[in-house]
Amino acid sequence: AQSVTQLDSQVPVFEEAPVELRCNYSSSVSVYLFWYVQYPNQGLQLLLKYLSGSTLVKGINGFEAEFNKSQTSFHLRKPSVHISDTAEYFCAVSAVGDRGSTLGRLYFGRGTQLTVWP
Amino acid sequence: GAVVSQHPSWVICKSGTSVKIECRSLDFQATTMFWYRQFPKQSLMLMATSNEGSKATYEQGVEKDKFLINHASLTLSTLTVTSAHPEDSSFYICSAKTGQNQYFGPGTRLTVT
Repeated sequence: AQSVTQLDSQVPVFEEAPVELRCNYSSSVSVYLFWYVQYPNQGLQLLLKYLSGSTLVKGINGFEAEFNKSQTSFHLRKPSVHISDTAEYFCAVSAVGDRGSTLGRLYFGRGTQLTVWP
Repeated sequence: GAVVSQHPSWVICKSGTSVKIECRSLDFQATTMFWYRQFPKQSLMLMATSNEGSKATYEQGVEKDKFLINHASLTLSTLTVTSAHPEDSSFYICSAKTGQNQYFGPGTRLTVT
């Protein structure tokens, strides 16, 4: 099975500051990696994903993440945050199945609450 | 993009009654849908995997007779919470899988009084 550890439960930052949300995973097989954002009382929205290829992945809203296989990490970064980025962020992994397909089941971290202050 | 809807968005019911939550993929077909449960300030916990035309696969510790899942078509899965109790109050989120992606519904807030 896979597991995900999000090292920070809360990350407060000031507007226009850079931010990094940390994510480490554990798996005995190859994985796909995802970052989702959740606004209050809403479902999850995909920010970005790593399936293969370049280890630096760019997503929506100016976010990017870097897959580091040796450190089993997939940290999320944004060079300058806005107040509208305040939300809960979830890192997730999915095992790679036969022929490269995802098995579908996502394992989520506990989430990181990003709060951006003016 | 792919859209998943849930209905209702919130529901309040009395203890002992049953509640049905619908999950629909609006613009794509999903052979697999997932049901998650989320407690306040916590992560999503997978409850079950729903495959169209077959029985759902439940995660360990999830009572299949209490949380009935039906995936009757390629665009609709339903979760019925039977004989609901206050401890079943939670945020229920579904997702639909297509290709390598999962798209999440907006969630249903269930409050059992």
